[in-house]
Amino acid sequence: DAKTTQPPSMDCAEGRAANLPCNHSTISGNEYVYWYRQIHSQGPQYIIHGLKNNETNEMASLIITEDRKSSTLILPHATLRDTAVYYCIVRRPNAGNNRKLIWGLGTSLAVNP
Amino acid sequence: DVKVTQSSRYLVKRTGEKVFLECVQDMDHENMFWYRQDPGLGLRLIYFSYDVKMKEKGDIPEGYSVSREKKERFSLILESASTNQTSMYLCASSWRQGSFDYGYTFGSGTRLTVV
Repeated sequence: DAKTTQPPSMDCAEGRAANLPCNHSTISGNEYVYWYRQIHSQGPQYIIHGLKNNETNEMASLIITEDRKSSTLILPHATLRDTAVYYCIVRRPNAGNNRKLIWGLGTSLAVNP
Repeated sequence: DVKVTQSSRYLVKRTGEKVFLECVQDMDHENMFWYRQDPGLGLRLIYFSYDVKMKEKGDIPEGYSVSREKKERFSLILESASTNQTSMYLCASSWRQGSFDYGYTFGSGTRLTVV
């Protein structure tokens, strides 16, 4: 599975949009982009995933560039409860590929009042 | 909501003890996983299972074993605990449809300290 690169930390004002970038320049055609977040002292929580089209759910939006080499997770109106570490992962969602999942250290997002 | 429940939030064990970490999920997921998380190293996969009685080694299986006798339960066993196994242990499950794995649901974690 392709490796991802994320900034180690970001800040965002409460109520504003938080845009978290992820670079995955070695992504291959059948690999999906997944985003998770981990609030302090809890297990990671699934947010969203996508292949090439932009995706939106109740938690966030995922924008994937046309060449699929990078993506952005958007939290449209960040709240203090969105303070967490955000992980971007790229993988083929097939049984047998879990072994190669590379989590990295993610982006620590601080939402400030 | 899918729930993944880990039996203990905090655990302190002595070096050499045999340690059992239990994980139960309530949504009939086929896949279950055990990770450990250490500062500066991120999440690392220890073992995973695609079905009852099936198990596969992850990236760091040494010193660990697993058991999956029932679909909802996946146990991680530290055969002889050592201080370098002090860590946060996270269990996860995921649903598989055909060959497509959906996103993971994680438990809250067990912080194990080996003294």
